[in-house]
Amino acid sequence: GEDVEQSLFLSVREGDSSVINCTYTDSSSTYLYWYKQEPGAGLQLLTYIFSNMDMKQDQRLTVLLNKKDKHLSLRIADTQTGDSAIYFCAEGAGTYKYIFGTGTRLKVLA
Amino acid sequence: GAGVSQTPSNKVTEKGKYVELRCDPISGHTALYWYRQSLGQGPEFLIYFQGTGAADDSGLPNDRFFAVRPEGSVSTLKIQRTERGDSAVYLCASSYAGGPVDTQYFGPGTRLTVL
Repeated sequence: GEDVEQSLFLSVREGDSSVINCTYTDSSSTYLYWYKQEPGAGLQLLTYIFSNMDMKQDQRLTVLLNKKDKHLSLRIADTQTGDSAIYFCAEGAGTYKYIFGTGTRLKVLA
Repeated sequence: GAGVSQTPSNKVTEKGKYVELRCDPISGHTALYWYRQSLGQGPEFLIYFQGTGAADDSGLPNDRFFAVRPEGSVSTLKIQRTERGDSAVYLCASSYAGGPVDTQYFGPGTRLTVL
C-alpha cells in the first residue's frame, strides 16, 4: 500500500539550515506537498512541487525532488525559532486523496 | 471567511455518546475533505465531497461515522456511539475544484476526546 516515510525528529541551531527528508511510494503522484503544523493549529501549506520538476525555491524554502528514488526534501535556510513545528510531506497520489507522512518534529535551538 | 473554520475546537464526550463536528470551507470551494489525525501520526483521509455529494467515503472507518454537506458548503461529520479509539483531531480541508492538481487548505481541527 501507500506509505510516506519521514524521520521523526530534527534539531538544529538558529541560523543553520534544516533539511527534512521524505520518501514516498506512489510514482503516479502529481504533486508533492510540504505542510507545517504548529501546536494547536491546523496544517499550513508551505510549498508544493509538481512531479515533473526537480527543484523549487520559495524564499527560504528549497524543495528537491528525486523521482527515481522517490525522495523529497525540504531545506529551510537560516532557520529561526519560529520554524519550530512538525513538518509533513504529502503526496497527491494521482487522486484527491493526500497521503501524509508521520511528520518530522523540528526543534530550533537558540 | 478567509480560511477554513471548524467548530468546536475541542469536544469532550463520554463513550457511547453522539457527536457532530462542523466545517466551514473557504467561500467558493466546491471540494471538501475530512481527515483524522491520531496522536503522533499524519492525517488520514476519511471522506471527500464534490458539491453536495460524497464522491468518496472509503476512508470512513465504520458505519458509526457519517458526513453530510446538504447545501454544498458547510459540512458536518457525525459520529454515533463514540468509542475511546475515536479520540483524535478531526481536520477539514477545502479546495477550489477537487482533483489531483488542486491544493487543499486545512482548518485548525476539532480535538475530540472520548472518555
